Amino acid sequence: EVQLVESGGGLVQPGGSLRLSCAASGFTFSDYEMNWVRQAPGRGLEWVSYISSSAVATDYVDSVKGRFTISRDNAENSLYLQMNSLRAEDTAVYYCARRFDYWGQGILVTVSS
Amino acid sequence: EIVFTQSPGTLSLSPGERATLSCRASQSVSSASLAWYQQKPGQAPRLLIYGAYTRATGIPDRFSGSGSGTDFTLTISRLEPEDFAVYYCQQYGSSPYNFGQGTKLEIK
Repeated sequence: EVQLVESGGGLVQPGGSLRLSCAASGFTFSDYEMNWVRQAPGRGLEWVSYISSSAVATDYVDSVKGRFTISRDNAENSLYLQMNSLRAEDTAVYYCARRFDYWGQGILVTVSS
Repeated sequence: EIVFTQSPGTLSLSPGERATLSCRASQSVSSASLAWYQQKPGQAPRLLIYGAYTRATGIPDRFSGSGSGTDFTLTISRLEPEDFAVYYCQQYGSSPYNFGQGTKLEIK
């Protein structure tokens, strides 16, 4: 059974940093591209970042370029999202997704003073 | 950047009825890269349809996708109580992998 479990969320002040993790199991992690998608409270879905299976390629939505960094550790079956210079508008539930076919349960990030 | 408009914003129907949800793109989308998701309150999105027409694993055959170019449709042939949720379309062929704003399917 494919499982994706996010962790690392919480409350952070504007300008602060947070690192999200996503632990994957039930499939060969190193074979799959991964994504982060977020959803602000009461809003729709927004794709945030992509990483290829070997981590050679990454991509970001314009609003997070230069502030967020996606990475992965295939030996540890883990996906990460380093979020720096956080803003109030980054407040959202963050989901990791295998390509886009399986999704984690999400983790809440709140940016507020 | 491809922008999606989903319509209607809210659809009020009764169980047993047929639902037709529309997704229009600002430019042509490869059918191979068009997906539909269902999301219930407090839950992660669930993939329903990929490649515009193909049902994901475990998705009942009352869900079907159609369309090409800039116009795509998700049809639910006979609504079950568990189908009332928010539905999103998305293209995953070229970055940014944008989603539509969603259609809320509510019980009439």
